[in-house]
Amino acid sequence: LAKTTQPISMDSYEGQEVNITCSHNNIATNDYITWYQQFPSQGPRFIIQGYKTKVTNEVASLFIPADRKSSTLSLPRVSLSDTAVYYCLVVLSGSARQLTFGSGTQLTVLP
Amino acid sequence: EAGVAQSPRYKIIEKRQSVAFWCNPISGHATLYWYQQILGQGPKLLIQFQNNGVVDDSQLPKDRFSAERLKGVDSTLKIQPAKLEDSAVYLCASSPSGRGYNEQFFGPGTRLTVL
Repeated sequence: LAKTTQPISMDSYEGQEVNITCSHNNIATNDYITWYQQFPSQGPRFIIQGYKTKVTNEVASLFIPADRKSSTLSLPRVSLSDTAVYYCLVVLSGSARQLTFGSGTQLTVLP
Repeated sequence: EAGVAQSPRYKIIEKRQSVAFWCNPISGHATLYWYQQILGQGPKLLIQFQNNGVVDDSQLPKDRFSAERLKGVDSTLKIQPAKLEDSAVYLCASSPSGRGYNEQFFGPGTRLTVL
């Protein structure tokens, strides 16, 4: 399984755009890049998943360059409620769909 | 749509005691997972079920942990006897299918404190 590296923590202010970058140098051809969000006292929640280029949903955008060795989660106009831990995962496609979580990035949004 | 249910939400026991956690996945989800999350770390997979069969239990400490999923629906995770290092949040998750990538839906977890 590809190992991911992401910043331990980030601070931002309300209304700003936040970009969290994750590196995954050993990503394999059939791997997907997936981001989960976790609030205190809750289980992780799926945010977005992508394979290449750009994916956008109502919550976030995910940018993946052509070499796929890194990816960037972009959160537009964050609010205080976006304060959470964000996990970048590389998910092997196929039947063995383990989620291997790292330590994640603690995002703190300040007023 | 109802989410993944877990009980109890909190449990405090003394070391060497036994404890059991219960999980009810989202209706129709074939795959069920148990994760252990130690404070400050990401969740770690303990065991994965596909219907009522075990797909992966390679990280389950089998000398003290056991899990079952009867009838392919609810699941229980048991620890016997508990150690101090078992203090953690135990998360249950489910997903619709065992093939290909599918989003996992997590329950709120059970916070276990071993004294």
